[in-house]
Amino acid sequence: QQQVKQSPQSLIVQKGGISIINCAYENTAFDYFPWYQQFPGKGPALLIAIRPDVSEKKEGRFTISFNKSAKQFSLHIMDSQPGDSATYFCAATDINFGNEKLTFGTGTRLTIIP
Amino acid sequence: DAGVTQSPTHLIKTRGQHVTLRCSPISGHKSVSWYQQVLGQGPQFIFQYYEKEERGRGNFPDRFSARQFPNYSSELNVNALLLGDSALYLCASSLVGRSTDTQYFGPGTRLTVL
Repeated sequence: QQQVKQSPQSLIVQKGGISIINCAYENTAFDYFPWYQQFPGKGPALLIAIRPDVSEKKEGRFTISFNKSAKQFSLHIMDSQPGDSATYFCAATDINFGNEKLTFGTGTRLTIIP
Repeated sequence: DAGVTQSPTHLIKTRGQHVTLRCSPISGHKSVSWYQQVLGQGPQFIFQYYEKEERGRGNFPDRFSARQFPNYSSELNVNALLLGDSALYLCASSLVGRSTDTQYFGPGTRLTVL
């Protein structure tokens, strides 16, 4: 049961460009939305996260935009660098679960070319 | 500081066998969660344990079980292995297992079932 839909599946961006990854969710009880970055052979690492009471959160070159009414959120990577090449996962969780279950999207493989 | 550690790194089993995967959380973390990541997909939640008690279970058959020890390390057991159990098994730890706690993932155990 896919509750978080992520697109695109893969993305190629030139160095210095803007990388944009989109996610949409169905469960209106979701209220915490983290993004994870995964390099080959490594586990996912938290990149940035947002709660639905704000529409945007920025940390360095990474920005999350959140549209609660549309049930969509996106990750923007400004001035993309070759070191950003990785697989990115959006995720969501529901504090009413009483646990920390993360529901992940299917991932976006990002490649930054020189 | 050591991150989340998992053992073994790789494992090859045949159908019908049993497997035990191990996880040591970050020092001071009391919550451990297990995820299954099939190639090309996002991680799927299997279990969460906090203070040796199961706090959450994902949509996995009873062949999957886990436990947490007094030192907060954890084991994931899978019985009667199927080909479809081939995946990367990730362990994540967090301080107290709240939905907004940052989950720190280990590098995973790659299980191949032949």
